[in-house]
Amino acid sequence: DTEVTQTPKHLVMGMTNKKSLKCEQHMGHRAMYWYKQKAKKPPELMFVYSYEKLSINESVPSRFSPECPNSSLLNLHLHALQPEDSALYLCASSQVRAVGEQFFGPGTRLTVL
Amino acid sequence: KNQVEQSPQSLIILEGKNCTLQCNYTVSPFSNLRWYKQDTGRGPVSLTIMTFSENTKSNGRYTATLDADTKQSSLHITASQLSDSASYICVVSNNAGNMLTFGGGTRLMVKP
Repeated sequence: DTEVTQTPKHLVMGMTNKKSLKCEQHMGHRAMYWYKQKAKKPPELMFVYSYEKLSINESVPSRFSPECPNSSLLNLHLHALQPEDSALYLCASSQVRAVGEQFFGPGTRLTVL
Repeated sequence: KNQVEQSPQSLIILEGKNCTLQCNYTVSPFSNLRWYKQDTGRGPVSLTIMTFSENTKSNGRYTATLDADTKQSSLHITASQLSDSASYICVVSNNAGNMLTFGGGTRLMVKP
């Protein structure tokens, strides 16, 4: 299995909702990443988990809360988002942090109303 | 500051034609350079990854070159197909264990 899966594919939520994005990989990778991508822009790094521990938080607002329950799963909990948070959220994994190729998931298209 | 610049920003070509995309970087120290293809609304898919010692790497109709002295890379697409329409992103990694630096991408449209 050489893919990263993400659910849901699309998500529409109001500013008072709480929702979660999920990411899964079964390649034995020990580094997992969350990126945010606005239209026609490159992905922007949000969080990095290395060996299930948060190693990088790129000054992301607290309304985004990552969680890594085990080495195969990565969640992104969303609460009280703003319309400007609407974007494509990409998950990626690599063998170890910053080494080797990053494999990206298909993304979750998030719309905040 | 680590930067990756890509040109052109967008490109339209006819099906069957060749094209070359450019990437200049100032990431230091350099570890590797990757080209990704990203379809609209989808995650990036790796085309090639090159280290300092590699000058050329091919993946089907895609050929990437790297000149580590001038810090330039190119992606050449041969005999373009409609399915090549996508954004092509150049990504550079340094060897300090820090994260990737993404270029702004080139949006390629192949027309029949």
